[in-house]
Amino acid sequence: AQSVTQLGSHVSVSEGALVLLRCNYSSSVPPYLFWYVQYPNQGLQLLLKYTSAATLVKGINGFEAEFKKSETSFHLTKPSAHMSDAAEYFCAVSDLRAAGNKLTFGGGTRVLVKP
Amino acid sequence: SQTIHQWPATLVQPVGSPLSLECTVEGTSNPNLYWYRQAAGRGLQLLFYSVGIGQISSEVPQNLSASRPQDRQFILSSKKLLLSDSGFYLCAWGGQGNSPLHFGNGTRLTVT
Repeated sequence: AQSVTQLGSHVSVSEGALVLLRCNYSSSVPPYLFWYVQYPNQGLQLLLKYTSAATLVKGINGFEAEFKKSETSFHLTKPSAHMSDAAEYFCAVSDLRAAGNKLTFGGGTRVLVKP
Repeated sequence: SQTIHQWPATLVQPVGSPLSLECTVEGTSNPNLYWYRQAAGRGLQLLFYSVGIGQISSEVPQNLSASRPQDRQFILSSKKLLLSDSGFYLCAWGGQGNSPLHFGNGTRLTVT
């Protein structure tokens, strides 16, 4: 069974500072990995995805993530935080061998951006 | 382009009342469809998924059921709501292969 662990349920950063959100996964097969963002009372929006091509993946809103197989990690970063980055972020893993192409999500990390 | 519609946006229901949440997808055919629940302070839990009309898989035993009467329609139901059914319900659709899931805007359900 697959699983995703996001270290830190809350992260506080200053505007302009680096944003680093940690995600570690467990999968018995090469995974497909995703990062989503959720603003209050909204659905989830895809930030980026890793599908076994380049290990450094660039997404929307200036975010990027690096897949490190040796560390089973897929950490999300943004060089300079903006107030609009305040939201909850979810890492997810997909096992395409399983029926239904389901995603397993981490517990989420809520980001607070201080002015 | 593909769009997903989910309604209602908010719902307050008394314990023991029935529930019906509807989700429709436009701009794609034969999508995989999903219902997730997000309880307060918790992550996303997959409730049901469907790979085709009339094909429903349940991930967790519970007070809810799902149906897919048409290719792009997914319905979440309950005959009698419990307090523990409160939460934020998200419908999503996905394609095949490595395609990501695309989510609706969610329904916030409060059972009183």
